[in-house]
Amino acid sequence: GNSVTQMEGPVTLSEEAFLTINCTYTATGYPSLFWYVQYPGEGLQLLLKATKADDKGSNKGFEATYRKETTSFHLEKGSVQVSDSAVYFCALSPYSGYSTLTFGKGTMLLVSP
Amino acid sequence: GAGVSQSPSNKVTEKGKDVELRCDPISGHTALYWYRQSLGQGLEFLIYFQGNSAPDKSGLPSDRFSAERTGGSVSTLTIQRTQQEDSAVYLCASSRSTGDSNYGYTFGSGTRLTVV
Repeated sequence: GNSVTQMEGPVTLSEEAFLTINCTYTATGYPSLFWYVQYPGEGLQLLLKATKADDKGSNKGFEATYRKETTSFHLEKGSVQVSDSAVYFCALSPYSGYSTLTFGKGTMLLVSP
Repeated sequence: GAGVSQSPSNKVTEKGKDVELRCDPISGHTALYWYRQSLGQGLEFLIYFQGNSAPDKSGLPSDRFSAERTGGSVSTLTIQRTQQEDSAVYLCASSRSTGDSNYGYTFGSGTRLTVV
């Protein structure tokens, strides 16, 4: 079956530090990959996506590259801000057209000034 | 509406009672999804609707859980005879169609259910 594995948190960083949150997946075919973010007290929001191998999704300074050879979709940001503190979820949607997303367990990011 | 609306935002109930959780999706979104978010467990898929029909109910954890959607809009998730392990945040999301996962879902803020 499909699955997503994320690094466990919390990830604690100082402002302006470099961020990497690892995500690997297991899926048949050619899934689409997503990162969602959940700020405190809010619902999940789509952060970025990539629909085919070698695609790079980017938004708000965050980037992730769809690596089929390593089945990975790691999230990166060059310089984090306090406002980036949130829970980040990696997710996949299988190619079959069946649209239910499979999510990882989430990684909490805490950024201190 | 402008976003996905869920109610109530918080619900405390006694063990054994029934609860109903409501989701009002974005107007025109035909696909609607229910997920459960438990501490340390990530998001667990429960059920999804395309229009009023539910092609996939595979995620419902037991027969105490049921959901319906009427008029292709509002959905209600019902939990009968609640148990403490049902305590979680129940999230609803909608999208324009079932083929729209590539464009992402829009999530509501969730209902935090606490069974005491």
